[in-house]
Amino acid sequence: GENVEQHPSTLSVQEGDSAVIKCTYSDSASNYFPWYKQELGKGPQLIIDIRSNVGEKKDQRIAVTLNKTAKHFSLHITETQPEDSAVYFCAASISNSGYALNFGKGTSLLVTP
Amino acid sequence: GAVVSQHPSWVICKSGTSVKIECRSLDFQATTMFWYRQFPKQSLMLMATSNEGSKATYEQGVEKDKFLINHASLTLSTLTVTSAHPEDSSFYICRPGDTYEQYFGPGTRLTVT
Repeated sequence: GENVEQHPSTLSVQEGDSAVIKCTYSDSASNYFPWYKQELGKGPQLIIDIRSNVGEKKDQRIAVTLNKTAKHFSLHITETQPEDSAVYFCAASISNSGYALNFGKGTSLLVTP
Repeated sequence: GAVVSQHPSWVICKSGTSVKIECRSLDFQATTMFWYRQFPKQSLMLMATSNEGSKATYEQGVEKDKFLINHASLTLSTLTVTSAHPEDSSFYICRPGDTYEQYFGPGTRLTVT
């Protein structure tokens, strides 16, 4: 079936540096691409999303870019802080499935002081 | 934003017993609810989609007689794990599915001994 590939699986950066997480998807009809942050023992929290008619979206230190032709999208976190440490999941909408999402395998981000 | 609650937040049960997990939308109505399962350090896997007033649809490989889903009202969907076994130990999370932007519940940690 359709899937979402996410890289890297782990990422360690120093506080203040930038972090980039990349995802590719296979369903050419996907039109919604959210990113979630999950802390240990908690449900995923939506941090930013982008729709297929937009190439880039920014919210303070977080930005997402989308290349529909290449079917990949990326999460960019600038000026990272220790509290950014968590697991991040990308997702892509599943065509003809209502509002269901396919998730990437996650990236464990560690920001060291 | 929309608030989703789950109860219990964690539960330990003995092998062979059944456990019911509740997912409530606190300030809105949800005609659709997605149920996900997440094993440690893994991604979220869609188990089934519940629809208010009708039968749930299950993903391939998910036993509908083992994971009973009920969506009797627009604010409550339940997942019952019947005859639980240790391999059912996981983190179960719900997400309303009426739009893409709806938030995940906080999750229920099930441990079967």
